[in-house]
Amino acid sequence: DQQVKQNSPSLSVQEGRISILNCDYTNSMFDYFLWYKKYPAEGPTFLISISSIKDKNEDGRFTVFLNKSAKHLSLHIVPSQPGDSAVYFCAASEFSGYALNFGKGTSLLVTP
Amino acid sequence: KAGVTQTPRYLIKTRGQQVTLSCSPISGHRSVSWYQQTPGQGLQFLFEYFSETQRNKGNFPGRFSGRQFSNSRSEMNVSTLELGDSALYLCASSSDRINTEAFFGQGTRLTVV
Repeated sequence: DQQVKQNSPSLSVQEGRISILNCDYTNSMFDYFLWYKKYPAEGPTFLISISSIKDKNEDGRFTVFLNKSAKHLSLHIVPSQPGDSAVYFCAASEFSGYALNFGKGTSLLVTP
Repeated sequence: KAGVTQTPRYLIKTRGQQVTLSCSPISGHRSVSWYQQTPGQGLQFLFEYFSETQRNKGNFPGRFSGRQFSNSRSEMNVSTLELGDSALYLCASSSDRINTEAFFGQGTRLTVV
């Protein structure tokens, strides 16, 4: 069963606007969350992470928000750029775990 | 420093055959994990090795196996290949726990015909 869900398979945003990618999880034992970006024919690249003791983490144009009570996290990209067009994967793990549980990904297209 | 290297990049095999994929982690990283990516299922965890020991295993049949060598290089093997095994197989390395930043290789694209 899918413990990490990305319910939007695709998202299209205009350049300069905000992109918001959402992720839900079901396992309350997850306490570390990551976002990866993937271009075709390449492996996923780490983007940003957040631990469960925080509700927000920023890195440049990228901000991840965590709502533990709702078991929901989101990635905000501001401003969006055409080079951000890729598939974004949300992943989660338990502190004591040795596996990343991935969502199925959201394909982001940023149009000029 | 060199990234995660996976070989081969592409592979075509026939049903019933077996295949071995290789992964060289980033120098100094002792944790290597493997993932299968398919269009319908996304990335699914296969197994993780640390210092030659398997620490965790995903929900895959016993046809999928792996090992890690003393230099941290890892191999995964799939026996009795099925059409459904066609996928991109990704290897990730990290210094210790997988829930720290993990670095992925470019993957091996396996096609079973």
